[in-house]
Amino acid sequence: SQTIHQWPATLVQPVGSPLSLECTVEGTSNPNLYWYRQAAGRGLQLLFYSVGIGQISSEVPQNLSASRPQDRQFILSSKKLLLSDSGFYLCAWRGLSSGNTIYFGEGSWLTVV
Amino acid sequence: QKEVEQNSGPLSVPEGAIASLNCTYSDRGSQSFFWYRQYSGKSPELIMFIYSNGDKEDGRFTAQLNKASQYVSLLIRDSQPSDSATYLCAVRTLNAGNMLTFGGGTRLMVKP
Repeated sequence: SQTIHQWPATLVQPVGSPLSLECTVEGTSNPNLYWYRQAAGRGLQLLFYSVGIGQISSEVPQNLSASRPQDRQFILSSKKLLLSDSGFYLCAWRGLSSGNTIYFGEGSWLTVV
Repeated sequence: QKEVEQNSGPLSVPEGAIASLNCTYSDRGSQSFFWYRQYSGKSPELIMFIYSNGDKEDGRFTAQLNKASQYVSLLIRDSQPSDSATYLCAVRTLNAGNMLTFGGGTRLMVKP
């Protein structure tokens, strides 16, 4: 069966510090991978998606970036965090075996102080 | 106009009642429709999806789709306090690059 993991689960970072969130998927090959952000009390916002290694599409211009160094690994990064980057970050995947459904990882709570 | 709209709630129902959650979407080209449940502080988990007009049942959950009215709903029968959560409607539209667009969610509270 397929599983998705992301880490860290929670982190508190000062403004201007870097960020790295990592996500890995197991049990599937060549998945579509996504990063979403959910601000407090708000809906899910798609940040990035990837259809393959090295292929990244950005949905929202901002100070975040994403990379996909391996087939089942997706990384969200920032060089300098802003207060507005605080939120709940969710990695998700979609594969051929899942049809049109996407599945989410456990999420990472980021508080920028 | 938001692409996918949901009443934010909270929707409060007594235990054992039917909870009815509604979602409207703006793009007539939308192909498939999903309901996710999200407990406070947790990630969304898929409840069910529906592609065709009509009803689709899965246990206590029934999804209803009316493409002509651009309306999708989720019914929860015999609501339990453990059903208290935020329910997210998501729509996949070819015009949006086959991405899922999420509504803001409806918070459901089931009172014992």
